[in-house]
Amino acid sequence: GENVEQHPSTLSVQEGDSAVIKCTYSDSASNYFPWYKQELGKGPQLIIDIRSNVGEKKDQRIAVTLNKTAKHFSLHITETQPEDSAVYFCAASKSTYKYIFGTGTRLKVLA
Amino acid sequence: SQTIHQWPATLVQPVGSPLSLECTVEGTSNPNLYWYRQAAGRGLQLLFYSVGIGQISSEVPQNLSASRPQDRQFILSSKKLLLSDSGFYLCAWSVAGANTGELFFGEGSRLTVL
Repeated sequence: GENVEQHPSTLSVQEGDSAVIKCTYSDSASNYFPWYKQELGKGPQLIIDIRSNVGEKKDQRIAVTLNKTAKHFSLHITETQPEDSAVYFCAASKSTYKYIFGTGTRLKVLA
Repeated sequence: SQTIHQWPATLVQPVGSPLSLECTVEGTSNPNLYWYRQAAGRGLQLLFYSVGIGQISSEVPQNLSASRPQDRQFILSSKKLLLSDSGFYLCAWSVAGANTGELFFGEGSRLTVL
């Protein structure tokens, strides 16, 4: 069936360093790839998304890249700060009703 | 602006007891509504979605059910809880008619079944 694999499951970086989280999806019909950030005890919030007609998108310190041929997409966070510590989820979708989420990455930014 | 409210935030229930989680959305009309479950160390699993009043689609067969009695109200229920029902339940909404787009999540309800 459709699935999204996400790696790594945990990631620790020093403040100021970069963090990269990678996802691989199985359904080649997927055309929308959002990234959500979930802080402890809260619901996830969208931080960036990319559609299949775009290869890269940036928003300040956050960027997402998409390789449709390889069915890979990645989240890049530069100049990490303690407030970036959270769980990050990737997802792949071809329909609003069918988001396939990855299993999450717990990012710890060490001060 | 749109807001989503979900309650209760936490609850502890014995096995075999009923469940009712409620979610309401304000500031938008005819939203798509969703119930997700998040188990420890796992991703977000879609349980139910609804595109309109009384219209419920189930993604995972289980002892849970959902209802949408009003346009912006979504309820998750169970007649008899199982231990495996423990988890973090999230209600979400999205704009109706959009093929893909942002999901707006509530704060979640943590259910512990003992």
